[in-house]
Amino acid sequence: AVQLVESGGGLVQPKESLKISCAASGFTFSNAAMYWVRQAPGKGLEWVARIRTKPNNYATYYADSVKGRFTISRDDSKSMVYLQMDNLKTEDTAMYYCTAATTGNPWGQGVMVTVSS
Amino acid sequence: DVVLTQTPPTLSATIGQSVSISCRSSQSLLHSNGNTYLHWLLQRPGQSPQLLIYSVSRLESGVPNRFSGSGSGTDFTLKISGVEAEDLGVYYCVQGTHAPWTFGGGTKLELK
Repeated sequence: AVQLVESGGGLVQPKESLKISCAASGFTFSNAAMYWVRQAPGKGLEWVARIRTKPNNYATYYADSVKGRFTISRDDSKSMVYLQMDNLKTEDTAMYYCTAATTGNPWGQGVMVTVSS
Repeated sequence: DVVLTQTPPTLSATIGQSVSISCRSSQSLLHSNGNTYLHWLLQRPGQSPQLLIYSVSRLESGVPNRFSGSGSGTDFTLKISGVEAEDLGVYYCVQGTHAPWTFGGGTKLELK
């Protein structure tokens, strides 16, 4: 079965860093663009970052709100996608979901990131 | 960025009632390749979003056929023909035609 499992969330202080991960299975990971989408408590969905596939040079894209602070990466050999988050702000507090541009558009269960002093 | 405006923000329905949700885009979602990348997601309480309909009107595998999507250009509609209890939650439209992805603000479907 297609599955995405996020990990690595937690509580951090403003200006600190955190790296979250997403393990994929059940589909050809190397063929799928991968995304991170977040949802602040009680709010709607916000796209955060995207990484394309090897034929597309692993091109990356970011929302303006995180550009210069977040870095998305992937390891096709491990079917993993990552989000390195630096200089975190309180407004980055959210549930972070990874999702794949593949058949069925699977979503993970999400990982909570809380930025608070 | 493309702005998607969903209406209504909240929808109260009885079981068996048919309802519609509108999603209007600030610009045409017709891609230069001829496809329209407007999709609908459902987020049930406490769960992650799941895909219901992709490319305007194509039903995702396993999704009941009481769900249907229609529209073109900038105006799109999700219809549920006979609401069931499991349909409750927040519906989002999302566009992938123009970078970056953007989401509608959501429509919460609740029981009347």
